[in-house]
Amino acid sequence: DTEVTQTPKHLVMGMTNKKSLKCEQHMGHRAMYWYKQKAKKPPELMFVYSYEKLSINESVPSRFSPECPNSSLLNLHLHALQPEDSALYLCASSQGQADSYEQYFGPGTRLTVT
Amino acid sequence: SQKIEQNSEALNIQEGKTATLTCNYTNYSPAYLQWYRQDPGRGPVFLLLIRENEKEKRKERLKVTFDTTLKQSLFHITASQPADSATYLCALDPFGNEKLTFGTGTRLTIIP
Repeated sequence: DTEVTQTPKHLVMGMTNKKSLKCEQHMGHRAMYWYKQKAKKPPELMFVYSYEKLSINESVPSRFSPECPNSSLLNLHLHALQPEDSALYLCASSQGQADSYEQYFGPGTRLTVT
Repeated sequence: SQKIEQNSEALNIQEGKTATLTCNYTNYSPAYLQWYRQDPGRGPVFLLLIRENEKEKRKERLKVTFDTTLKQSLFHITASQPADSATYLCALDPFGNEKLTFGTGTRLTIIP
């Protein structure tokens, strides 16, 4: 199974809402990532988890809160977002070893903040 | 500043011809470089990884070259097909810490 799944596919939320994005992989990968992608732009790294611990936070505002409950799951908790946070949010995973640095991406969650 | 540039924002190629995409980077000495394909509204899909000690890598109709002196990678699709139409992204992990940085992307259209 080389699939990364993400739920929901689409999410519309107001600026005062709290919501969560979910990501799951069953490839035994030790590293998981959150990316943000705006239209016609490349994905931008937000967070990296390695062995379930946060290893990289790319100075992301605290209204985005990642969580890694176990080695297969990754969540992104959203609170008090701004309209400019509307984007495609991508989850990815990788083995993160010397011979296997390729990343497997999920289909993304299309987030609209109103 | 650190940059990863893909020279063409958009590229139109006649079906059957070879498409060549360029990825240039500055201020890096990456151990490897990756290429991904992304279709609209979907996540990127990994295609190829080439290491600094490899000059060329092939996979079916795809070929990637890596010139660490020129700081450039070329991505070739031979016998191109309309189904190859997508955005292609190169990506580097400049410091070997799994912080993957993507190039600006090239939107490739194969014209029947």
